[in-house]
Amino acid sequence: QKEVEQNSGPLSVPEGAIASLNCTYSDQGSQSFFWYRQYSGKSPELIMFIYSNGDKEDGRFTAQLNKASQYVSLLIRDSQPSDSATYLCAVNSGGSNYKLTFGKGTLLTVNP
Amino acid sequence: DADVTQTPRNRITKTGKRIMLECSQTKGHDRMYWYRQDPGLGLRLIYYSFDVKDINKGEISDGYSVSRQAQAKFSLSLESAIPNQTALYFCATGDSKNTGELFFGEGSRLTVL
Repeated sequence: QKEVEQNSGPLSVPEGAIASLNCTYSDQGSQSFFWYRQYSGKSPELIMFIYSNGDKEDGRFTAQLNKASQYVSLLIRDSQPSDSATYLCAVNSGGSNYKLTFGKGTLLTVNP
Repeated sequence: DADVTQTPRNRITKTGKRIMLECSQTKGHDRMYWYRQDPGLGLRLIYYSFDVKDINKGEISDGYSVSRQAQAKFSLSLESAIPNQTALYFCATGDSKNTGELFFGEGSRLTVL
């Protein structure tokens, strides 16, 4: 069973701080990694994807991947109350047959 | 209008009833998926399809069936609904030619009494 683990939270940070969200996965063959944001009662929406070891930045968001440690993280700089949501880590271990396995999500609350 | 449309958005039914959830997309994607989401359990894959003639079971397919009527349509059926199938169901689409990103519909909330 391929597993994706996330701390369920809630993770609470003050406005303007850096929020750090973590994810580990069990399948060493996993090739691509995704972070989705889900507001309460809404559908998941993609924030970022990452394929290669290292960091990938997009605006206030940075995804970090370490395949040796089977670890992927998402940093949110200058956190805003509008960032308050559940963040889902998803892992594709099916190669070109994209079949994402999702973690259970981390609830982030940004306090004004 | 949403690119991935699910109907119905909300449904309450009784144990033993047959239920169909429908999904249609205007994104032109070849891949379609059905997930269910339960509190504390996250998103779990029920079935997926990579083209009209391709149907694959996900991790929790028991009690469900699907039909890919056209590239743009993918329906999920519960032949005899039971209370533990009460959940939020999401349809998603993906394009085999891009990064693997999935695009989700707005969800169908099903309650089985």
